[in-house]
Amino acid sequence: DAEITQSPRHKITETGRQVTLACHQTWNHNNMFWYRQDLGHGLRLIHYSYGVQDTNKGEVSDGYSVSRSNTEDLPLTLESAASSQTSVYFCASSDQTSGRGTDTQYFGPGTRLTVL
Amino acid sequence: DQQVKQNSPSLSVQEGRISILNCDYTNSMFDYFLWYKKYPAEGPTFLISISSIKDKNEDGRFTVFLNKSAKHLSLHIVPSQPGDSAVYFCAASSEISGTYKYIFGTGTRLKVLA
Repeated sequence: DAEITQSPRHKITETGRQVTLACHQTWNHNNMFWYRQDLGHGLRLIHYSYGVQDTNKGEVSDGYSVSRSNTEDLPLTLESAASSQTSVYFCASSDQTSGRGTDTQYFGPGTRLTVL
Repeated sequence: DQQVKQNSPSLSVQEGRISILNCDYTNSMFDYFLWYKKYPAEGPTFLISISSIKDKNEDGRFTVFLNKSAKHLSLHIVPSQPGDSAVYFCAASSEISGTYKYIFGTGTRLKVLA
């Protein structure tokens, strides 16, 4: 079965360290998204990609970067982790069947990141 | 500025009764709306959607109502079951070609009491 996976599921790191969260999908979806979930803020979009070599900033992109070298993967990098980046991170993907925002996004199980 | 708002952080309902979850949006460019359900330690899963050309969409126990003039949508769950206890997020999107982003609300935690 096609799926979307995230690794690691839990990560503890120190302030200032570089951290990379992995996201891998086997649906062959063109669109991939990274969100963070925080109490009182819901799900906020960090970065997104509509295809290989395409990346775009979301509403909370400062301190994060992504790269898209193939269809299946969109790793999220925290260049220098800060305590404010302690959060649960979700990756999602969607197809471009409709060519519009009506295509359902499918989410991974999440990565809980703690920055000490 | 929060473009999609869920003003009730939590809601408790007795099993068998109706659960009504509300969502308001400010951007009139949004024309497609979705509800996602999230259990602890899992990713959100799609529940139901509605296009702005409709004012109601039904799927089993779940019905979403859209009031475009009020920029308001609601999710009705009838009858509510203990397994419906989860966090519910509403999201807004656009049917403009080439736009695939969602804007999510802050979520409402539903607790269905047995």
